[in-house]
Amino acid sequence: KQEVTQIPAALSVPEGENLVLNCSFTDSAIYNLQWFRQDPGKGLTSLLLIQSSQREQTSGRLNASLDKSSGRSTLYIAASQPGDSATYLCAGVNSGGYQKVTFGTGTKLQVIP
Amino acid sequence: NAGVTQTPKFQVLKTGQSMTLQCAQDMNHEYMSWYRQDPGMGLRLIHYSVGAGITDQGEVPNGYNVSRSTTEDFPLRLLSAAPSQTSVYFCASSYSPTNYGYTFGSGTRLTVV
Repeated sequence: KQEVTQIPAALSVPEGENLVLNCSFTDSAIYNLQWFRQDPGKGLTSLLLIQSSQREQTSGRLNASLDKSSGRSTLYIAASQPGDSATYLCAGVNSGGYQKVTFGTGTKLQVIP
Repeated sequence: NAGVTQTPKFQVLKTGQSMTLQCAQDMNHEYMSWYRQDPGMGLRLIHYSVGAGITDQGEVPNGYNVSRSTTEDFPLRLLSAAPSQTSVYFCASSYSPTNYGYTFGSGTRLTVV
């Protein structure tokens, strides 16, 4: 059974700092890994999707990497802004009749002005 | 495109009442699923569907029913609401989870008193 872990559960950084969010998974047989952002009381917004054949994806100030052999993915946020404050979730899709997706419990990020 | 639309956004039920949470997508996605999100437990899969007429149970299906009569709609029915079903419910859809990841609705916040 796939398990996805995100550490730390919460992170507070000053504005302008570069930061890395971590996501670990136990089953390396994943098809892809997706990073989401969730604002309080809102739904999940997809940020980046990394296929198992890829090593990283970039969108603006965000860069996500995937290392299947070590069971890790990281989300790098450059020059953090107060508007980046949110909970960040990672989710891995595994093989199976449903192509099961397993979510981490998230990292709550606060960027302090 | 509207994406994934969930209604209602908020609902309060009395124990024992029944209700249906609506989910509709206009992206012609075959894969649809329902999750519940509880503090400290991440997102847990309730039911899913891989196409019209095909549904199956996820991790926490007890107390919930689904049907998929069309590609667009995937309603979630609570048969007899219990306080343990107080949660935020998300519907998600995908054209192909292995290739495109998931799109989420904005959620329904349900309180059972």
